[in-house]
Amino acid sequence: AQSVAQPEDQVNVAEGNPLTVKCTYSVSGNPYLFWYVQYPNRGLQFLLKYITGDNLVKGSYGFEAEFNKSQTSFHLKKPSALVSDSALYFCAVRDIVPDSWGKLQFGAGTQVVVTP
Amino acid sequence: DSGVTQTPKHLITATGQRVTLRCSPRSGDLSVYWYQQSLDQGLQFLIQYYNGEERAKGNILERFSAQQFPDLHSELNLSSLELGDSALYFCASSPQGVSYEQYFGPGTRLTVT
Repeated sequence: AQSVAQPEDQVNVAEGNPLTVKCTYSVSGNPYLFWYVQYPNRGLQFLLKYITGDNLVKGSYGFEAEFNKSQTSFHLKKPSALVSDSALYFCAVRDIVPDSWGKLQFGAGTQVVVTP
Repeated sequence: DSGVTQTPKHLITATGQRVTLRCSPRSGDLSVYWYQQSLDQGLQFLIQYYNGEERAKGNILERFSAQQFPDLHSELNLSSLELGDSALYFCASSPQGVSYEQYFGPGTRLTVT
């Protein structure tokens, strides 16, 4: 069974500092990995994905993520955080075995708080 | 704006009642997914439809059912509602293929009193 873990409930960072949100995964085959962000009272917005290829994936709003197969991790990063990055971040995994049929398994979410 | 629409935005109802949530996917997307977000369970996959056919089931209660119509919109029916069904219900859509990301609607907030 596939699963994803976000070990931190909350990450606090000062504006202008680097931001990292951690994610580890477990799948039976090769993973498809996604990051989403949720602002208050809004739906989830897609940030980026890893399917195959380069381990460093660039996404929306200056975010990037690094896929590490040996550590089964897919950490989200931003070199310089903004106050407007304060939101709830979800990591998700999709197993590519046939019976998964595209459903996403989400982590518990990490609340990011960026202080001015 | 993701292109996925959901109605209603808010719904308040009493225990034992039945409600229907509606979702219209992005233009061209054949797959529709339903998710439930609650404080204690987090984001849980409920069910997926592709071009009118059920494709995958997740943690969906027997009191819940869904369908996708020929125009590709989908409805999630929740019956015999309990207090614990209070949650945000999201619909997402995507093109067919596991490499595609899902685009989420704004959600329907259901409150059962």
